[in-house]
Amino acid sequence: DTAVSQTPKYLVTQMENDKSIKCEQNLGHDTMYWYKQDSKKFLKIMFSYNNKELIINETVPNRFSPKSPDKAHLNLHINSLELGDSAVYFCASSPRWAGPSAMNTEAFFGQGTRLTVV
Amino acid sequence: SQQGEEDPQALSIQEGENATMNCSYKTSINNLQWYRQNSGRGLVHLILIRSNEREKHSGRLRVTLDTSKKSSSLLITASRAADTASYFCATATQGGSEKLVFGKGTKLTVNP
Repeated sequence: DTAVSQTPKYLVTQMENDKSIKCEQNLGHDTMYWYKQDSKKFLKIMFSYNNKELIINETVPNRFSPKSPDKAHLNLHINSLELGDSAVYFCASSPRWAGPSAMNTEAFFGQGTRLTVV
Repeated sequence: SQQGEEDPQALSIQEGENATMNCSYKTSINNLQWYRQNSGRGLVHLILIRSNEREKHSGRLRVTLDTSKKSSSLLITASRAADTASYFCATATQGGSEKLVFGKGTKLTVNP
């Protein structure tokens, strides 16, 4: 059983297209995230959702729009793709949002979606 | 903003040797976590150490935390070829929202 699953695993598309990446977790977690890993392997958080509500938006361009239809799903839609969007996008989840004063739980990551914009 | 900085960036050792990776961070934390990433795969959680802990063990892993120096180390003892991967430290910052801030990682190669 896959705990955090993302689709597709690979995505090759042309500039200016619109694409979506889907993420689902079957762990019953309240919190889900999107991270971007660039070519130098640097991981940066993009969004965090807790129980379908946006908690964190790390100055990501408006072309990126997350959608959480329920707490088990967090999809990422990207409009008007640019070359610089090429990266590996990881979805992750964690058991609970412990509030602003603590976070004592680990994150579970999906296998990643390698996006290549040509 | 980037929080953790691992060093070395790359480490190559022989099977059976110990591997030590270090992580430094800038702000106060609630906990620090280490993750492993095999090539082309997602990240896997290894171990979490809270800010009031100084050392933690899990199997062949030993993690230390020095909050006065804002640094942590991950020691893998008796390394195996299967330990070859990138290792990342991640910090959960105090007073912040629910997120982990990752460093750039150490690429470990264990030669058979």
